[in-house]
Amino acid sequence: AQTVTQSQPEMSVQEAETVTLSCTYDTSESDYYLFWYKQPPSRQMILVIRQEAYKQQNATENRFSVNFQKAAKSFSLKISDSQLGDAAMYFCAYRGPLYTGANSKLTFGKGITLSVRP
Amino acid sequence: DVKVTQSSRYLVKRTGEKVFLECVQDMDHENMFWYRQDPGLGLRLIYFSYDVKMKEKGDIPEGYSVSREKKERFSLILESASTNQTSMYLCASSLGGQGGNSPLHFGNGTRLTVT
Repeated sequence: AQTVTQSQPEMSVQEAETVTLSCTYDTSESDYYLFWYKQPPSRQMILVIRQEAYKQQNATENRFSVNFQKAAKSFSLKISDSQLGDAAMYFCAYRGPLYTGANSKLTFGKGITLSVRP
Repeated sequence: DVKVTQSSRYLVKRTGEKVFLECVQDMDHENMFWYRQDPGLGLRLIYFSYDVKMKEKGDIPEGYSVSREKKERFSLILESASTNQTSMYLCASSLGGQGGNSPLHFGNGTRLTVT
């Protein structure tokens, strides 16, 4: 079974600074999809960014970018110019190749709590 | 915007009760999911469904069942609630087909306490 590992339970960053959240995963597949989700204290999970494994270019969404290292099975999230509203729990997630509808599930890591210091 | 609505935000039930958690999505998504979230354990998949009347076990299906009679609605059932089922329950939906990068859209969650 695929596993997703987020080894750092907590991180802290100064407002306006840059922080990187780590994620590794285990898979034998060559085609798959990776996601980062954010869960603020209000608790609704929202998508931050996504990456297809077949794309070599790292995904970017405004202040959020990923460092996707396929050979190392690493998918880290970089948050630039951190803001107070970035304080949340962040989850890394993996989806395998979509051969069938039964493969549509996402496997999540345990999450990391990010705090932002003013 | 996709809206995923969970019927209750907070729920308190007694041990042994049958509990229904309801989830409705309004975007005609094929896939629907039930996850459980516990501190230090992240999100764990209980069950999911990729079509009406279809269901697949996730990682922790024991003690739970599901029902999907209509495309927009996915119910999680605790046949006989136990205290170790006290948790946050998250419902989500996503597009089906070949959209591998289609994200999950989550509801607000239901905090269930079993006493």
